[in-house]
Amino acid sequence: SQTIHQWPATLVQPVGSPLSLECTVEGTSNPNLYWYRQAAGRGLQLLFYSVGIGQISSEVPQNLSASRPQDRQFILSSKKLLLSDSGFYLCAWSVGGSSYNEQFFGPGTRLTVL
Amino acid sequence: AQSVTQPDIHITVSEGASLELRCNYSYGATPYLFWYVQSPGQGLQLLLKYFSGDTLVQGIKGFEAEFKRSQSSFNLRKPSVHWSDAAEYFCAVGAGANNLFFGTGTRLTVIP
Repeated sequence: SQTIHQWPATLVQPVGSPLSLECTVEGTSNPNLYWYRQAAGRGLQLLFYSVGIGQISSEVPQNLSASRPQDRQFILSSKKLLLSDSGFYLCAWSVGGSSYNEQFFGPGTRLTVL
Repeated sequence: AQSVTQPDIHITVSEGASLELRCNYSYGATPYLFWYVQSPGQGLQLLLKYFSGDTLVQGIKGFEAEFKRSQSSFNLRKPSVHWSDAAEYFCAVGAGANNLFFGTGTRLTVIP
């Protein structure tokens, strides 16, 4: 069966520090991968999605970036964190090429920027 | 443009009472519709989905939802709420191959 992992589970970082969040998927090949952010009291905002290795689409301009160095690995990064980057970051995957859009979510990373 | 509206930010119900969470969508074509549940500090779990066919769909944990094209709605229902149903619920519409648009969520509180 397929599983999705995210780490770390929680992170507290100072403003201006770098960020690296990792997401890996097991049990499937060539998945579509997604990064969402959920700010306090708000819904989910799609940040990036990827349909293949090295292919990244950005939905919202910001100081974050994403990379997909391997088929089932998706990394969210920042060179300098802002206070507004605080939130709950969710990684998700879906069957590559499917038009049904059903996405499966990881457990999330709680990021607090101080 | 696609959008999803969940008009109720917070709902409180008593345990054993019925529940209906509202969801309205805007999408030009036939939508793919989803309801997800998020327990505190956790990821999202799919409750049910509608792609086509029967407009009343059954999901996990005793939930169901009805697609009403004329009202652009996909409301979630449960006949008898349990304390473990307290969570945040998200409605979403699938548009295109890679896009899933979420509503802002409805937080459900269950009173013993």
